[in-house]
Amino acid sequence: ETGVTQSPTHLIKTRGQQVTLRCSSQSGHNTVSWYQQALGQGPQFIFQYYREEENGRGNFPPRFSGLQFPNYSSELNVNALELDDSALYLCASSSLARMNTEAFFGQGTRLTVV
Amino acid sequence: EDQVTQSPEALRLQEGESSSLNCSYTVSGLRGLFWYRQDPGKGPEFLFTLYSAGEEKEKERLKATLTKKESFLHITAPKPEDSATYLCAVQGPQGAQKLVFGQGTRLTINP
Repeated sequence: ETGVTQSPTHLIKTRGQQVTLRCSSQSGHNTVSWYQQALGQGPQFIFQYYREEENGRGNFPPRFSGLQFPNYSSELNVNALELDDSALYLCASSSLARMNTEAFFGQGTRLTVV
Repeated sequence: EDQVTQSPEALRLQEGESSSLNCSYTVSGLRGLFWYRQDPGKGPEFLFTLYSAGEEKEKERLKATLTKKESFLHITAPKPEDSATYLCAVQGPQGAQKLVFGQGTRLTINP
């Protein structure tokens, strides 16, 4: 079991609402990445945070935003929720101090938009 | 653009029946190829990282190999507890440690 924890585990929101998902990274890791996984698909990269700044972004609109805190924990915020935002949201922590490093995932937050 | 294709999409085996899962990739400058196992409704669990063609890694009944175009995950004498979705991902040379995943292979081992 990894040291990456996500909250909440499940969430139901109404279309148009806003949501905040949280992630605590594994001890010793300074980088957090967020992924969206639709049912039956592989995870899709949303963005990554390193030293409290965005360090790369995938093909997601600006209503997906994030934060990283001094203790390396992170939040994913999604505004103006759409039905297609229903998915498993995964947080992964890693360390940019090493050139090649594995990313360890949390258990995910299942978001349902109705 | 980096791409990963996994085959087959789904595979059913009898307990003890060995097989291989395939991961074909296109990436400009591979930094690493990763295999993960994912149980339903849970996050991916790290299995292996492969860095260069010819590299092999083993863990219990699993063995991962890498060539310049594809990776294989060999499963020897599988047990029902090996049933899961197996995900392959690549990391390219870009600064961010972005992983590009395939769609996964859903493996079912029947007792």
